[in-house]
Amino acid sequence: NAGVMQNPRHLVRRRGQEARLRCSPMKGHSHVYWYRQLPEEGLKFMVYLQKENIIDESGMPKERFSAEFPKEGPSILRIQQVVRGDSAAYFCASSPVRPEDGQPQHFGDGTRLSIL
Amino acid sequence: GNSVTQMEGPVTLSEEAFLTINCTYTATGYPSLFWYVQYPGEGLQLLLKATKADDKGSNKGFEATYRKETTSFHLEKGSVQVSDSAVYFCALWDSWGKLQFGAGTQVVVTP
Repeated sequence: NAGVMQNPRHLVRRRGQEARLRCSPMKGHSHVYWYRQLPEEGLKFMVYLQKENIIDESGMPKERFSAEFPKEGPSILRIQQVVRGDSAAYFCASSPVRPEDGQPQHFGDGTRLSIL
Repeated sequence: GNSVTQMEGPVTLSEEAFLTINCTYTATGYPSLFWYVQYPGEGLQLLLKATKADDKGSNKGFEATYRKETTSFHLEKGSVQVSDSAVYFCALWDSWGKLQFGAGTQVVVTP
């Protein structure tokens, strides 16, 4: 049973370009969460999605950032017109409707975004 | 709102030393508490958990006890190894939605 898959593992963009980060949740998981980890900091919640719906985006910057989790395919975190401050590790986590194994969320290995 | 505070690092120890990482929380209700570990270049792995007051979570020699009276969930290990070098995160979950993380504590174990 594959875990949460994120790609790419590393992404380099120049200022002003767009970054698209993908997350495929674990099989059977319908909830996806995105977190950002700035250098030397902890993980900060960004957005919580269920299939085709955004449930909580209270941690998402109001501009340039968007997320989706379509009916088919992976969840996408999109950052438009990237700036140096967007350099961070972006982690995706997933969960089933009712976590039953004691783990509220399972994490992917992250995408490390570097802005030149 | 909910929050988690953990001691700052880095914590540098010699092999076989005793490790304690303090974690306190603020929350309404009775959240579940977790410790996650992050090895260099990797994602987060669940280390241990506790879902109610006085529960003790344990795994790989690490332990933490959910103390409601002091709102704490300190992580301990009696004898660390070089392979325990990592960043440790305390986290809180209120049974819905996001996890609330502490800032992380880097642990460096030297031979």
